[in-house]
Amino acid sequence: RKEVEQDPGPFNVPEGATVAFNCTYSNSASQSFFWYRQDCRKEPKLLMSVYSSGNEDGRFTAQLNRASQYISLLIRDSKLSDSATYLCVVGNYGQNFVFGPGTRLSVLP
Amino acid sequence: EAQVTQNPRYLITVTGKKLTVTCSQNMNHEYMSWYRQDPGLGLRQIYYSMNVEATDKGDVPEGYKVSRKEKRNFPLILESPSPNQTSLYFCASSSYPGQGKTPLHFGNGTRLTVT
Repeated sequence: RKEVEQDPGPFNVPEGATVAFNCTYSNSASQSFFWYRQDCRKEPKLLMSVYSSGNEDGRFTAQLNRASQYISLLIRDSKLSDSATYLCVVGNYGQNFVFGPGTRLSVLP
Repeated sequence: EAQVTQNPRYLITVTGKKLTVTCSQNMNHEYMSWYRQDPGLGLRQIYYSMNVEATDKGDVPEGYKVSRKEKRNFPLILESPSPNQTSLYFCASSSYPGQGKTPLHFGNGTRLTVT
């Protein structure tokens, strides 16, 4: 089993839709959690850090469930500009950052 | 401005000619890492470093070398590049993994072509 797994995708959704991504991690000692977006052939850019209590930034909401070891990202009112690959990243104290394989989102007009 | 700087952005070279891709960060980060990304594949880690003089292999270290003599620099060395190392390379840095909520900061990438 991979250490960090994500929905395989791709997700094709119409503009204005709500879309949710899930990510599971296997190391119960993981300490930090992030969502990144990556546009084609560009560097990944931080979208959100994920906090235990959940956090929201505009149309984006991230949740962490430590008991079930998963994090989620909800995008409301999808825009064409949201089309990208979304990466789940987990930081393990004293070890390494681990990336999920990414989930591709295409928002269609 | 806090940033990770990679150079060069684009590089075309020939098989067997040693090259170095530089990576520098100005955030006093302990952790630095190199990744490669190929079409249709996710990011794959080459090497990472937890601090000066501490480097570890990632998932695909074969054919690469790194060094961490100073905290701010983490160069990637290809002693004898081969065409299968043609790829897009990213350097990233952060504070100690899992410590606080400091995320990874990425450089702009280096597109390497080996002919």
